[in-house]
Formats: sequence, C-alpha cells, structure tokens
Amino acid sequence: EIVLTQSPGTLSLSPGERATLPCRASQRVSSSYLAWYQQKPGQAPRLLIYGISSRATGIPDRFSGSGSGTDFTLTISRLEPEDFAVYYCQQYGTSPITFGQGTRLEIK
Amino acid sequence: QVQLQESGPGLVKPSQTLSLTCTVSGGSISSSDYYWSWIRQPPGKGLEWIGYIYHSGTTHYNPSLQSRVAMSVDTSKNQFSLRLSSVTAADTAVYYCARERVIFGANLPDYWGQGTLVTVSS
Repeated sequence: EIVLTQSPGTLSLSPGERATLPCRASQRVSSSYLAWYQQKPGQAPRLLIYGISSRATGIPDRFSGSGSGTDFTLTISRLEPEDFAVYYCQQYGTSPITFGQGTRLEIK
Repeated sequence: QVQLQESGPGLVKPSQTLSLTCTVSGGSISSSDYYWSWIRQPPGKGLEWIGYIYHSGTTHYNPSLQSRVAMSVDTSKNQFSLRLSSVTAADTAVYYCARERVIFGANLPDYWGQGTLVTVSS
C-alpha cells in the first residue's frame, strides 16, 4: 500500500500568515488522485482539495493544492482563525485508500 | 444535500462482532455515481479506510481487515452496514460512514457521517 508521510506533525503559525503543509508518498500517486481533508475536534473530516489542486464545493480560494508524483503541498494563503485544525492528505488512486498521519495547525 | 448517519452499539466485548448501520438521506443509495464506505479513526490517531460497497452488493475491502469484515446494503431502506468480527481493543475507534464519488475513474470519499465511537471492552 502507499504510505503517506506528513511532516511536521504540528505547525505553529499566527492568523494572517501563510501555511505550507507537505505530504510525501512512498510511491508515485496514480493519475493525480491526491486529496486533502480538514478535521476539527469532534467533527468528521471535510474534503478540501481533490485531484491535487481542485477545490471541493464551497472551499475558499485561500486553500490551494499543488505537487506531482510523490510530493504534494497544501497551501493556505492567509490563515483565518477557523483554519486551525488537523489536515490529512489522502491518495485514492491505488487500493487501499490511505491517509497521512495528519498535520496539526495550531495558533502560535 | 446528502446526509449520512451512523448507528449501532457503542460498546462491544472482545471476540464479539461489531455491527453498525449507516442511513443515507437526501439522495439514493442506488445511484450509479456513488459507492458507500466505512472509515475508522482510533482515538487520537489517523484514519484507516475499511472498504466500500456498491448498491449492487459488490464489495472491496482493505486487505488488512479483509478476513474479518463484511458489508451489506439494503436499498429499500437506503442503508448500508458494517460487520467486523473477532474484535479486540485495537478496534476501538470512531467509525465513519462515507459516500465515495467516482471521479475520473477513482473513488473519492466526499461526504462523511458524523461518526460513532465504538469501544471494545469487557
């Protein structure tokens, strides 16, 4: 199975700053099938980005995705207070679907 | 907008079978565009995909759980279900049901239920 590594495990930033969250795959992700989810405490994950860079319905344009092959990035251009949460990358092109272990974005 | 709601016992004894049901509203489980899946998250840990079922009954499971998992679908009730046998404490987790949308030939979980905590303990 494809292992996704997200490092750092925790990122401390201030509102208004730019956040860059990396995700590295153990092998090439098939056909750009890479997604990002946001999870807040006590809530289900919410789909943010799919196909590496396509925003899901209703997702603000401060969220963007990029990358190719085995290296991917979620960028939040200007952090809003509601953006502090845990972010997971996921590959869905090769079975089984796998997730990274998550990056916690916390207020500095 | 589609909504998914998990239901089932919150406590299961070791070696017994965990059973959960997901009720889908706001859309038909028989739609050809979607598959229906289960994903779990142990407390304080990451996410693990368990598998999916199609309205026809076709299933696909994570190899790590395949020997213990069974999914079923009831289209008349717009529900699908999960059974996980021979549970241990390692199966304690929040269990989510989700809709998988087929996008360019691959299944993407796009809408999730709120999740239900299942604890395995005697």
